[in-house]
Amino acid sequence: GIQVEQSPPDLILQEGANSTLRCNFSDSVNNLQWFHQNPWGQLINLFYIPSGTKQNGRLSATTVATERYSLLYISSSQTTDSGVYFCAVVAFNKFYFGSGTKLNVKP
Amino acid sequence: DSGVTQTPKHLITATGQRVTLRCSPRSGDLSVYWYQQSLDQGLQFLIQYYNGEERAKGNILERFSAQQFPDLHSELNLSSLELGDSALYFCASSPRARGTDTQYFGPGTRLTVL
Repeated sequence: GIQVEQSPPDLILQEGANSTLRCNFSDSVNNLQWFHQNPWGQLINLFYIPSGTKQNGRLSATTVATERYSLLYISSSQTTDSGVYFCAVVAFNKFYFGSGTKLNVKP
Repeated sequence: DSGVTQTPKHLITATGQRVTLRCSPRSGDLSVYWYQQSLDQGLQFLIQYYNGEERAKGNILERFSAQQFPDLHSELNLSSLELGDSALYFCASSPRARGTDTQYFGPGTRLTVL
């Protein structure tokens, strides 16, 4: 299967700081998605971004498919951004998840 | 609230037993996905159904099976349970089966195998 690596594994930020999370993948994919799991376990699908750049409020994502990586930017972080961010790539309709970046935003 | 419901919320059972997890998708969504989240394996895609038909299969063990019924709810059956099956099982739904569709996740069922 496709290997998906996320970095950093852990990140601690002060509220208001910016951050960049990275997702590398080992092969060509049809699709890439970013997810957020809050500290209570709820999963939310943030972005569908097989290539290019998308923005949603303080979050934006960029995928460079030819170089097999994607970046998730969080600007002006808030405590509600805490949790685990997963990227998942899709190939032949199957999802392959990274191990996540655990973000802790401190007030 | 995502609109996706999962029952039960918690399940405690013994090794060798069989359990059924249920998922009701958002109204109008035709596609259902099942995922397993464990400390050892992380998040894993198990299987996807679209309008009653299996669409994609991931790392689903042979001891596990799933189906989607005409009313579009889905059930995940886990049999001959082992300690390593203890995990959080999520289902998600989306309007269609396209990769562009946003998935909406249920709250999960926490399975503990003793």
